[in-house]
Amino acid sequence: QPVLTQPPSVSGAPGQRVTISCSGSSSNIGSGYEVHWYQQLPGTAPRPLIYGNNKRPSGVPDRFSGSKSGTSASLTITGLQAEDEADYYCQSFDSSLSPPYVFGSGTKVTVL
Amino acid sequence: QVQFVQSGPEVKKPGASVTVSCKASGYAFTDHTIHWVRQAPGQRLEWMGSINTGYGNTQYSETFHGRLTITWDTSATTAYMELSSLRSEDTAVFYCARFHWSDSNFDYWGQGTLVTVSS
Repeated sequence: QPVLTQPPSVSGAPGQRVTISCSGSSSNIGSGYEVHWYQQLPGTAPRPLIYGNNKRPSGVPDRFSGSKSGTSASLTITGLQAEDEADYYCQSFDSSLSPPYVFGSGTKVTVL
Repeated sequence: QVQFVQSGPEVKKPGASVTVSCKASGYAFTDHTIHWVRQAPGQRLEWMGSINTGYGNTQYSETFHGRLTITWDTSATTAYMELSSLRSEDTAVFYCARFHWSDSNFDYWGQGTLVTVSS
């Protein structure tokens, strides 16, 4: 079972705001480890979307934002666009695991 | 620009081994670790293991119970992932990814290699 839990799917109409949660525990997100997010378009490799909880790599539109609080993190897409239809994964570290690298369960975003 | 190019798709029989290569370019190869991630059809990303390309030390997920070996060739700026005793459940796309030590994320990924295990 993945240690970072995400909703299997979220959906929204173009222009709407959608939020994807990443729920962890005191041994990962709650320990202060940073959360990173990746976007995986159909048939392609993941690409970094948010790193260090809330930073965007160059080239990532500013409609994508990240936040973290307590044992959870969130990715928000403000002004959903058709090209945002993809799978999204959070990633962090877990001190109860060795090695500590963990990915979330993944969320499919559907643009209605 | 940083780029990772992986070897092509493979079809293997159960019990065989497969080696996937990942050629890096555009940065100092020994400055960042390279990791491998598995994604079974329709499934989530799963961390497999990593290699420190500067010192050669490796880390592996317990999930693979000694079936996984990651190696590297500095002169070829290439990392290799060998998975042995293949079974049908190993059918997946395998990705290599660079771990950026200061941002602590996987900042560049290979295009993925599909390995199909079938009798």
